[in-house]
Amino acid sequence: AQSVTQLDSHVSVSEGTPVLLRCNYSSSYSPSLFWYVQHPNKGLQLLLKYTSAATLVKGINGFEAEFKKSETSFHLTKPSAHMSDAAEYFCVVSSGSARQLTFGSGTQLTVLP
Amino acid sequence: KAGVTQTPRYLIKTRGQQVTLSCSPISGHRSVSWYQQTPGQGLQFLFEYFSETQRNKGNFPGRFSGRQFSNSRSEMNVSTLELGDSALYLCASSLSGESLLSEAFFGQGTRLTVV
Repeated sequence: AQSVTQLDSHVSVSEGTPVLLRCNYSSSYSPSLFWYVQHPNKGLQLLLKYTSAATLVKGINGFEAEFKKSETSFHLTKPSAHMSDAAEYFCVVSSGSARQLTFGSGTQLTVLP
Repeated sequence: KAGVTQTPRYLIKTRGQQVTLSCSPISGHRSVSWYQQTPGQGLQFLFEYFSETQRNKGNFPGRFSGRQFSNSRSEMNVSTLELGDSALYLCASSLSGESLLSEAFFGQGTRLTVV
């Protein structure tokens, strides 16, 4: 079985300040982990993925995430928020041969001017 | 190259009716998955098809069904619609569906409203 917990349903930051979106996972197998972003009335766009290579993963638009097995965490960070980062972010896990993605409940990121 | 195309984008149906949604994957992708997104339940996996075979199914009633054609295009069908079926239905395509080997690309979704 696999599951994902996004620890914050809403996060607000000021433009130019760091972003931290928290995610914990549970998986019976070595997981693949992803972060997706969804802008209003849009589909889901992949930000980055972890598939057992480097534990620090760099994605698009300056985002990165660190896989910490001991803490079962995969937190998403960005050094400096931009107004265009305002969206909903989903942490996602896929394990073994499940061939399905299990989504967290999402974190709504607001960027204040 | 063209992305994942879902049609129609918006749909309004009456309770008790049935509906068919379509998804055209990225060229060369053979795996298509479907997800339901609602404010209350979030994103939930419906089913996944690969080479015209359903390989995995989520925890949804039998009113939800799907199929995949030889060109990898997929359709999902919902019969006897209920108000609770109102949702954004997202389709994702990937090369093989094995997450270690390929990533999922999502379409913009079909917004279904049941009245």
